[in-house]
Amino acid sequence: AQSVTQLGSHVSVSEGALVLLRCNYSSSVPPYLFWYVQYPNQGLQLLLKYTSAATLVKGINGFEAEFKKSETSFHLTKPSAHMSDAAEYFCAVSEGTSYDKVIFGPGTSLSVIP
Amino acid sequence: GAVVSQHPSRVICKSGTSVKIECRSLDFQATTMFWYRQFPKQSLMLMATSNEGSKATYEQGVEKDKFLINHASLTLSTLTVTSAHPEDSSFYICRAPVPAGGAEAQYFGPGTRLLVL
Repeated sequence: AQSVTQLGSHVSVSEGALVLLRCNYSSSVPPYLFWYVQYPNQGLQLLLKYTSAATLVKGINGFEAEFKKSETSFHLTKPSAHMSDAAEYFCAVSEGTSYDKVIFGPGTSLSVIP
Repeated sequence: GAVVSQHPSRVICKSGTSVKIECRSLDFQATTMFWYRQFPKQSLMLMATSNEGSKATYEQGVEKDKFLINHASLTLSTLTVTSAHPEDSSFYICRAPVPAGGAEAQYFGPGTRLLVL
């Protein structure tokens, strides 16, 4: 069975500082991994995805994530935080096709301090 | 790009009533759709897999008689919360995979916020 853990339910950074949101996964097959962002009272927006191509994945809004098989990790980073980055971030894992289940991690709430 | 819509976006109902939520794929056919539930400040939990022409598959712990799913056509799945109670208040989100797409070919609806008084 697949699962996702996100270390730190809440992360707070200063504006302009590095953002690092941690994600570790468990999967019996090579996984597909995703990061989603959710702003208050809104739906999900896909930030980036790993689908077995390049291990360093670049997404929207300056975010990127690196797939490390040996560490079963897919941490999300952004060099410089903006106030508009404050939101809830979810890491998710899936197997193979778009018809497979997508399992979400518990989420990390990011706060950006002016 | 592919779009998934949900209706209504927000609904308030009295305890004991039933509420129907629609999920539509607007420009592609979806033989399978997924329904998620998100409680405040929590993650999305998969409730069930909706299959066109057959019964839905429910995740462990989800009451199939309470959360009725009907995949009426290749572009429409409905989730009916029967005899809703305040604890059913949640954000309900559907997901539809694009046929022949890879794992990334999936689209989420904007969500429906249900408040049961």
